[in-house]
Amino acid sequence: EAGVAQSPRYKIIEKRQSVAFWCNPISGHATLYWYQQILGQGPKLLIQFQNNGVVDDSQLPKDRFSAERLKGVDSTLKIQPAKLEDSAVYLCASQRGIDTLHFGNGTRLTVT
Amino acid sequence: KQEVTQIPAALSVPEGENLVLNCSFTDSAIYNLQWFRQDPGKGLTSLLLIQSSQREQTSGRLNASLDKSSGRSTLYIAASQPGDSATYLCALLSGGGADGLTFGKGTHLIIQP
Repeated sequence: EAGVAQSPRYKIIEKRQSVAFWCNPISGHATLYWYQQILGQGPKLLIQFQNNGVVDDSQLPKDRFSAERLKGVDSTLKIQPAKLEDSAVYLCASQRGIDTLHFGNGTRLTVT
Repeated sequence: KQEVTQIPAALSVPEGENLVLNCSFTDSAIYNLQWFRQDPGKGLTSLLLIQSSQREQTSGRLNASLDKSSGRSTLYIAASQPGDSATYLCALLSGGGADGLTFGKGTHLIIQP
């Protein structure tokens, strides 16, 4: 089966600019997660979707971050405006039921 | 709030040695515990998943144990190989399975040829 696809692979922007990341989960996986991984840290959950509904977004900085999963398949994560501390790898993961999570290779964001 | 700690933060051993990575957590009300491997510039690959009712899982040279009462898990790697070099992350699923995974910071492992 095809894995979780993420794009772009790398992104460099200046602070105060906006950026969007895209994720295509494994077919049939109802649950989709966005994680932020700062260098040297473990991934931190930003938002969890079940189909096209939000299950948990308690750690999402909603003043600048937004995410959607309109048709319950693909998802986009947006940052506007970006800050220096947003530099991180953004990982998308999908899950079927309560099976293990499958992660994409991530998008590495550098904010200058 | 669940907190996950991994010790050591980094480890370097000669090829062929057996080694143990440690993970501790503060809330024993977990749904399951997973060990992941992360290679540089890559996403995470699941290695082993232990359900709350289980005490250990084995896959090849890897063995993971879970002791909920003490809030600990260990990942045992037998006969280490240079290809085992990676960052190993421990993660827990809490809140009845609805809260997403809480990760430790990982152990950066280097196996010297």
